[in-house]
Amino acid sequence: DTEVTQTPKHLVMGMTNKKSLKCEQHMGHRAMYWYKQKAKKPPELMFVYSYEKLSINESVPSRFSPECPNSSLLNLHLHALQPEDSALYLCASSQDWSRRGFYEQYFGPGTRLTVT
Amino acid sequence: AQTVTQSQPEMSVQEAETVTLSCTYDTSESDYYLFWYKQPPSRQMILVIRQEAYKQQNATENRFSVNFQKAAKSFSLKISDSQLGDAAMYFCAYRSEHNTDKLIFGTGTRLQVFP
Repeated sequence: DTEVTQTPKHLVMGMTNKKSLKCEQHMGHRAMYWYKQKAKKPPELMFVYSYEKLSINESVPSRFSPECPNSSLLNLHLHALQPEDSALYLCASSQDWSRRGFYEQYFGPGTRLTVT
Repeated sequence: AQTVTQSQPEMSVQEAETVTLSCTYDTSESDYYLFWYKQPPSRQMILVIRQEAYKQQNATENRFSVNFQKAAKSFSLKISDSQLGDAAMYFCAYRSEHNTDKLIFGTGTRLQVFP
């Protein structure tokens, strides 16, 4: 099983709403990632979790709050978002992150978020 | 800081023909990895091919092959016998061996395949 699943596929939320994005993998990977992708642009890294600890936060605004409850699950909690936060949010996982060597990142299909 | 440049925003190819997508990068490191990712309209990004910088031999995966020129910092992707399913956005990406361990993506090339 080389699948990363993400729910929901689409999400529309108002600027005062609180919502969460969910990502799951059962490949035994110990590194998980959140990316933001605007239309016709490459993915931008937001967060990296390694062994369930936050390893990288790419200066993401606090209205995005990641959570890694266990090694298979990654959440992104959203609160008070702005219209410019509308994008495709991609989750990825890899066998490891911090060690030297090649670790392929497997991407999920993404959640299309629209903030109204 | 490392950068990745894809100078072709869009490319097109006829089915069964061959197309080459360009990628150049800038780095002062000697150890790194290079990747080509494909993102079809359905959005899921998948790894097409990878190249370790220490390997001189160009990577090949079925119809996909790369031309890795380390001195020129060039990493192009050749797709042979193009198929309609090859239509997608293609991203070139760089990953340092030592430092940030982050994927640095190029801006992407949209490939259209015509029957």
